Amino acid sequence: LAKTTQPISMDSYEGQEVNITCSHNNIATNDYITWYQQFPSQGPRFIIQGYKTKVTNEVASLFIPADRKSSTLSLPRVSLSDTAVYYCLSSSNTGKLIFGQGTTLQVKP
Amino acid sequence: DTAVSQTPKYLVTQMGNDKSIKCEQNLGHDTMYWYKQDSKKFLKIMFSYNNKELIINETVPNRFSPKSPDKAHLNLHINSLELGDSAVYFCASSGTVRDNEQFFGPGTRLTVL
Repeated sequence: LAKTTQPISMDSYEGQEVNITCSHNNIATNDYITWYQQFPSQGPRFIIQGYKTKVTNEVASLFIPADRKSSTLSLPRVSLSDTAVYYCLSSSNTGKLIFGQGTTLQVKP
Repeated sequence: DTAVSQTPKYLVTQMGNDKSIKCEQNLGHDTMYWYKQDSKKFLKIMFSYNNKELIINETVPNRFSPKSPDKAHLNLHINSLELGDSAVYFCASSGTVRDNEQFFGPGTRLTVL
């Protein structure tokens, strides 16, 4: 059974680097791994997407090992405004889109 | 300009009623989706349309019927509403069916009494 698993919650302090890992055990061989951020009462917002190795943009980095069964979202120097729920999204090898259950990140001053 | 819009934002109704939620995207995307987010924040895909054709239909009760009059619109009609249908429903769109960079609407909070 394809599952996408993330930690339920994480705490951090302002200025720290935060790493959130997602496990996707039956990921489709040709599909990307995508991460989203969701604030209360808003729709999820795209953060970053990658296929393998490392991808970096202006807000985050994404690390994907060679077997692609997991991925790690890295947020450098978080601020209070990064407090949100973070979701990973991948497709199973049967083509089903599966979101992780979301990781609630609480950034403290 | 709002990229993906949904109406209404809030919907409160009685069990057994029929209701519709509308979604429009002005991004020129080919693919649109409906998601359900429950009280535990799980996001679950319900349907996906590509160029007005249904391509994903998860195990959703047939009381839920999506309709895509054109590729910019994907509406969701729900018959005989039940308490368990209470959730936030999100519409989203992406450039193509293989593109996981999806743009989400603001959500419709449905409360069934």
